[in-house]
Amino acid sequence: IAGITQAPTSQILAAGRRMTLRCTQDMRHNAMYWYRQDLGLGLRLIHYSNTAGTTGKGEVPDGYSVSRANTDDFPLTLASAVPSQTSVYFCASSDGAGSDTQYFGPGTRLTVL
Amino acid sequence: GQNIDQPTEMTATEGAIVQINCTYQTSGFNGLFWYQQHAGEAPTFLSYNVLDGLEEKGRFSSFLSRSKGYSYLLLKELQMKDSASYLCVPLDSNYQLIWGAGTKLIIKP
Repeated sequence: IAGITQAPTSQILAAGRRMTLRCTQDMRHNAMYWYRQDLGLGLRLIHYSNTAGTTGKGEVPDGYSVSRANTDDFPLTLASAVPSQTSVYFCASSDGAGSDTQYFGPGTRLTVL
Repeated sequence: GQNIDQPTEMTATEGAIVQINCTYQTSGFNGLFWYQQHAGEAPTFLSYNVLDGLEEKGRFSSFLSRSKGYSYLLLKELQMKDSASYLCVPLDSNYQLIWGAGTKLIIKP
């Protein structure tokens, strides 16, 4: 693989269910990010990780959790999904934090009913 | 507060030139990115400006004036595949990217 992959591509989920969105990068980037994008709106940062073993909260972290056990993987978990979490989720990575360019995965389209 | 102002939508003709303007207000400033996003796809990097002036990269050029809080993206020799949203994304003092909804560019034959 080259770049960032996300899985699943799309998912329909019943409210109250637990769901983990997967993100893997093979660029050995230190920093990784999770965003959500709602129709007609800009991306909003959910959580980020500047380096393996550390994570931080973004603009809209409530209802989501992340872990960064190694450099390559950065899963996003919805503990108990709600309809307002219906969105497109993008994972991104950058060589470092700061002004380094962020590169995005293809996204996961999640619908919570 | 932090704010980005871009036209919601623009229309241009294949083969022509279009300039997408962006004004921004941020808490501090550490540069500005332009991203392209085709419908249903992820954003892709176009350019990064941190100093005033024009950066040219093939058919695309990006300009920055820090004192005016102003940037533009210039697209030359427009092609149908350039139909997409263009996102002006400043980086604030905390190195957080400030994302707006962008400008939807429609290219007509």
